[in-house]
Amino acid sequence: EPEVTQTPSHQVTQMGQEVILRCVPISNHLYFYWYRQILGQKVEFLVSFYNNEISEKSEIFDDQFSVERPDGSNFTLKIRSTKLEDSAMYFCATRKGNEQFFGPGTRLTVL
Amino acid sequence: GEDVEQSLFLSVREGDSSVINCTYTDSSSTYLYWYKQEPGAGLQLLTYIFSNMDMKQDQRLTVLLNKKDKHLSLRIADTQTGDSAIYFCAENTDTGRRALTFGSGTRLQVQP
Repeated sequence: EPEVTQTPSHQVTQMGQEVILRCVPISNHLYFYWYRQILGQKVEFLVSFYNNEISEKSEIFDDQFSVERPDGSNFTLKIRSTKLEDSAMYFCATRKGNEQFFGPGTRLTVL
Repeated sequence: GEDVEQSLFLSVREGDSSVINCTYTDSSSTYLYWYKQEPGAGLQLLTYIFSNMDMKQDQRLTVLLNKKDKHLSLRIADTQTGDSAIYFCAENTDTGRRALTFGSGTRLQVQP
């Protein structure tokens, strides 16, 4: 059964560094999402992406964040200058119809 | 804004039924979902219900929706130790971004 995959599973970085989180969506899905879950808190929506552009973003998704699909397969989330409070699990999801399927997540630790 | 609330913890014995409850505030919610998260894993879609339905059954899972009270429940029949996980309720509307708004999750502990 097709799955959403994410790499890396765990990323440790220094504050101020750039990180890129990668996702490979399910192949015939057209809608992509990033969510994050800070430890002990709710899963929060960051951004949705369709037809190679952002369709909507939350207040969390500020200028430090960007998304792209550079090669038609990978869907990436970039954080330009990480802050301590960016430490969280980051989930990629893809949607077909009414169903959203989530990847296993990338745990980002900012030191 | 939208808000989804769940109780944090539920403990049941193996073989019993589990009922996990959720309330939401957005009256325009169109789809309501249940996801399961096992330790170290992602969010697994279990089932979802459209807001014009009041019940949906899928094997051991029964979803009940009371739209008037904005209350959603997930019943797991014959609960097994493998059902131990965190269960998230989520909702979205049929327009715009279709992003999900999640509850805080209910940790289900199944005792043998």
